[in-house]
Amino acid sequence: QKEVEQNSGPLSVPEGAIASLNCTYSDRGSQSFFWYRQYSGKSPELIMFIYSNGDKEDGRFTAQLNKASQYVSLLIRDSQPSDSATYLCAGSGGGADGLTFGKGTHLIIQP
Amino acid sequence: GAVVSQHPSRVICKSGTSVKIECRSLDFQATTMFWYRQFPKKSLMLMATSNEGSKATYEQGVEKDKFLINHASLTLSTLTVTSAHPEDSSFYICSARGGAGSASYEQYFGPGTRLTVT
Repeated sequence: QKEVEQNSGPLSVPEGAIASLNCTYSDRGSQSFFWYRQYSGKSPELIMFIYSNGDKEDGRFTAQLNKASQYVSLLIRDSQPSDSATYLCAGSGGGADGLTFGKGTHLIIQP
Repeated sequence: GAVVSQHPSRVICKSGTSVKIECRSLDFQATTMFWYRQFPKKSLMLMATSNEGSKATYEQGVEKDKFLINHASLTLSTLTVTSAHPEDSSFYICSARGGAGSASYEQYFGPGTRLTVT
């Protein structure tokens, strides 16, 4: 059974600091990984995806993937109060596969 | 990014009635759409994969006769909750795969439909 694990938090980070969100997955066949941000009562919005080992940077966000350790992370630099949300990690086997989501980490950026 | 819409955004229905939810990709053609369900304070759970012109593939534990999915065109998929019961009350979210300039495995989510069955 495919599983994606995340610490539910809440994770509290001071404004301007780096927020580090972590995720592990059980299915070695997973090829692509996604980070979504979800505000309360809203639909998830895609932040980044990654499918190669290493780091991928996009603005204040850096996704990291380590397939040997089955580990994915998201770093948010210069955290802002507007970054406060639940961050969902998801994995996909590729092709037409749907996503397997973790339960999400609730991030709070303290002003 | 690609735009996906859902209609209605909220619906309240009586137990035993059926409700249809539409999912549209507005600026790209989506050969594959996905339907998810999210209960309060829980993560999204994949219900089914919808491919244009073919039968949907349902996840284990999801009743295909209760959750009817139709993907009649490259921009529209519908989910019909038949004979709804209060336990079907949830947030239903669709996603569509692909779009101009995106990798083939990116999924973009619609805004969701909150269903309340009384």
